Amino acid sequence: DIQMTQSPSSLSASIGDRVTITCRASQTIKSFLQWYQQKPGKAPKLLIYSVSRLEGGVPSRFSGSGSGTDFSLTISSLQPEDLATYYCQQTFTARWTFGQGTKVEVK
Amino acid sequence: EVQLVESGGGLVKPGGSLRLSCEASGFTFSSHGMSWVRQAPGKGLEWVSSIRIGGFIYYADSVKGRFTISRDNVKNLVFLEMNSLRAEDTAVYYCARESFGTDLWGQGTLVSVSS
Repeated sequence: DIQMTQSPSSLSASIGDRVTITCRASQTIKSFLQWYQQKPGKAPKLLIYSVSRLEGGVPSRFSGSGSGTDFSLTISSLQPEDLATYYCQQTFTARWTFGQGTKVEVK
Repeated sequence: EVQLVESGGGLVKPGGSLRLSCEASGFTFSSHGMSWVRQAPGKGLEWVSSIRIGGFIYYADSVKGRFTISRDNVKNLVFLEMNSLRAEDTAVYYCARESFGTDLWGQGTLVSVSS
């Protein structure tokens, strides 16, 4: 199975900061990469699909980039409501895998 | 309303069985693959199983041979039959709709495996 490695595992940033989370796949996954946001006690929410396509209703401060094996999620200006854990996911293979998650805390 | 609603979770002893159900509404169910994803307490997301368009079925190694996924396209239901349950199967189980990734999730149902 493809391994997905996120970094960092957690971060603390101030309101208005630019925040970047990275995700590395153990082999190429082309553009089959999604990002999810999960708030405590809630189901995950799709933010970005196919590396950089914003899901409907997701604020434009979220963006994704990358290709092949290296990907990133950027929050251009961190807001209080962005407190959450973020997961990357590959769907290149039939057996999906998720990254271990990045917990974002607001200072 | 477009939604997924899971049911069937609960407390079960090791070695026991449970059947989870997920009812879909508000969209053309038969046009989407469906998956189960679980999350152990305080842990990350783990893909469990998928049933894709055309009936192709896939399982994570951790559940293969013990869990069975199925669907009823008439009643808009997807199921996860879980046998030989272990303590490490304790988790919230989410039903999810496949689009690009998984664009619709249920609220989750808790499965606790303990003696």
